[in-house]
Amino acid sequence: QVQLVESGGGLIKPGGSLRLSCTASGFTFSDYYMNWIRQTPGKGLEWISYISPTSSDTNYADSVRGRFTISRDNAKNSLYLQMNSLRAEDTAVYYCATPSRLAEHWGQGTLVTVSA
Amino acid sequence: DVVMTQSPLFLPVTLGQPASISCRSSQSLVYSNGDTYLNWFQQRPGQSPRRLIYKVSNRDSAVPDRFSGSGSGTDFTLKISRVEAEDVGVYYCMQGTHWPWTFGQGTKVEIK
Repeated sequence: QVQLVESGGGLIKPGGSLRLSCTASGFTFSDYYMNWIRQTPGKGLEWISYISPTSSDTNYADSVRGRFTISRDNAKNSLYLQMNSLRAEDTAVYYCATPSRLAEHWGQGTLVTVSA
Repeated sequence: DVVMTQSPLFLPVTLGQPASISCRSSQSLVYSNGDTYLNWFQQRPGQSPRRLIYKVSNRDSAVPDRFSGSGSGTDFTLKISRVEAEDVGVYYCMQGTHWPWTFGQGTKVEIK
């Protein structure tokens, strides 16, 4: 069955960088758009980025545009989120999910805490 | 951004009784291909969101048939015909028509 496993979260100081990973199994990863969604107690669920199967199409929410970069490695069945210039308001549980628009499958999430 | 407004935000229900959650969008959710990308999710305590309904009224496999979705345009509803104890959690609507795709605030369902 479809499995998505996120990793890479942790405690990071404001202004720092972090790279999240999502490893996929149980489906043909290279056929699907992949997504990052985050959840905070204050703002709820926020869809922050997606990437097409060939990486030719990406998009970002305004809240992360210019600071976060989504990428993928189809040979490794892996999705990434490079997060730079982190702020306190980026504190959240980060989920990978697929497919775009429909979000049928979600990972278990990885917690990112941005705090001095 | 499209604003998704759910009501109520808190829904105490009696076991075996029906429950209904409303979701309204600030714009029509009909996409250029004619599909309406309105989905419903359930999040149980300590778990990731789980999709229940996609494109307004299509129930996911393994989702009990007591869950149903309806609506069109900007006005949508999730109904539970007879609430069971396992239905406790937070329910979210989500639109996948207009980027950025957005979620409602969530409706917390509890047993009275």
